Amino acid sequence: DAGVTQSPTHLIKTRGQQVTLRCSPKSGHDTVSWYQQALGQGPQFIFQYYEEEERQRGNFPDRFSGHQFPNYSSELNVNALLLGDSALYLCASSLLQGSFGEQYFGPGTRLTVT
Amino acid sequence: AQSVTQPDIHITVSEGASLELRCNYSYGATPYLFWYVQSPGQGLQLLLKYFSGDTLVQGIKGFEAEFKRSQSSFNLRKPSVHWSDAAEYFCAVGPSGAGSYQLTFGKGTKLSVIP
Repeated sequence: DAGVTQSPTHLIKTRGQQVTLRCSPKSGHDTVSWYQQALGQGPQFIFQYYEEEERQRGNFPDRFSGHQFPNYSSELNVNALLLGDSALYLCASSLLQGSFGEQYFGPGTRLTVT
Repeated sequence: AQSVTQPDIHITVSEGASLELRCNYSYGATPYLFWYVQSPGQGLQLLLKYFSGDTLVQGIKGFEAEFKRSQSSFNLRKPSVHWSDAAEYFCAVGPSGAGSYQLTFGKGTKLSVIP
């Protein structure tokens, strides 16, 4: 059983560009959350998707948007990249009706903005 | 707003020694508390969680944590550390409100193990 997968592993972009990160949840999971982990920091919640809708959003600007597909996979889009967007982006999947907090994390996508 | 404080940025212990990583939280109601571990280049792995009931929680890899409401703490312990335990450890609290599944993480404690 594959766990949470994310692609790509690493990405280098230039300021002002746009980026799309992808996440496939663990088999059987229907909810996907995205977190940003800056260097030396703990992960910060960006948003969560369930039934193809954004259920909750953290303190991130509208430049950060997402999407969830019928197969529960998800994308994170970031527009107008800033140097400060350089971070590890983590995807976590869970079962909404299941035990809270059983969020399974993927290995992350390392985004570098130059 | 909920918050998590991990007072120790970096801890070094000898292999075989005991370990305690500190975590203090701020939350208005009964919290859900978690400890995650992150190895270099890896995602987060859940070590253990506390929702309610017994305040001493057992997790994977021989870890345990104790919830102390009076001290707003949820410290992680291991009686004998192995070299493979070297990693970064994150304490987290959630949810942030009704219908919320957001986890709030501390800044982490990096554990180094001396052979």
